[in-house]
Amino acid sequence: GENVEQHPSTLSVQEGDSAVIKCTYSDSASNYFPWYKQELGKGPQLIIDIRSNVGEKKDQRIAVTLNKTAKHFSLHITETQPEDSAVYFCAASSAGNKLTFGGGTRVLVKP
Amino acid sequence: DAMVIQNPRYQVTQFGKPVTLSCSQTLNHNVMYWYQQKSSQAPKLLFHYYDKDFNNEADTPDNFQSRRPNTSFCFLDIRSPGLGDAAMYLCATSRDATGQETQYFGPGTRLLVL
Repeated sequence: GENVEQHPSTLSVQEGDSAVIKCTYSDSASNYFPWYKQELGKGPQLIIDIRSNVGEKKDQRIAVTLNKTAKHFSLHITETQPEDSAVYFCAASSAGNKLTFGGGTRVLVKP
Repeated sequence: DAMVIQNPRYQVTQFGKPVTLSCSQTLNHNVMYWYQQKSSQAPKLLFHYYDKDFNNEADTPDNFQSRRPNTSFCFLDIRSPGLGDAAMYLCATSRDATGQETQYFGPGTRLLVL
């Protein structure tokens, strides 16, 4: 089955700096890669996603890149703000729409 | 706003006492999922319904059951909760199951087993 590795597990950045989270996956059949933000005590919220026919996607301060050959994808957050502090999960979706999640990255943005 | 609703947000039960968690959706999505999330871990899929078709994950304990009486509602039944079942339970929906459909999560129900 699919296996998703996510790094780093924790990330501390100064407000205004950029944050980068990287994920690798194992199943070449995976073709949809969402990123979720989860705040304490809440459910995961989709922040951006990318499909296998696209190499990069951007939404304001958030961008995701996908390298299907190398089987890795990354989340980039620019101009970080304290409200960006949360746990971020990458995921890969394959047949049957099953999501396999990475282990999560706890991001702390210091004012 | 269309959304995924979970009730209750917090549930306390006793060891071995059956408990039911509920999920409803106003998105009119075909697929509903139940995940278990333990502290500092990623969500783990327990099972999902595609319309009325139930799909159980191979490693989901028999202690966990689910019902979907109609498109809008789905229930998670834990027949005999153990201490290890204390977790956040997340419901999610997707329009279809093509492999590229976004899953939308509810706020979760945190279960405490005493």
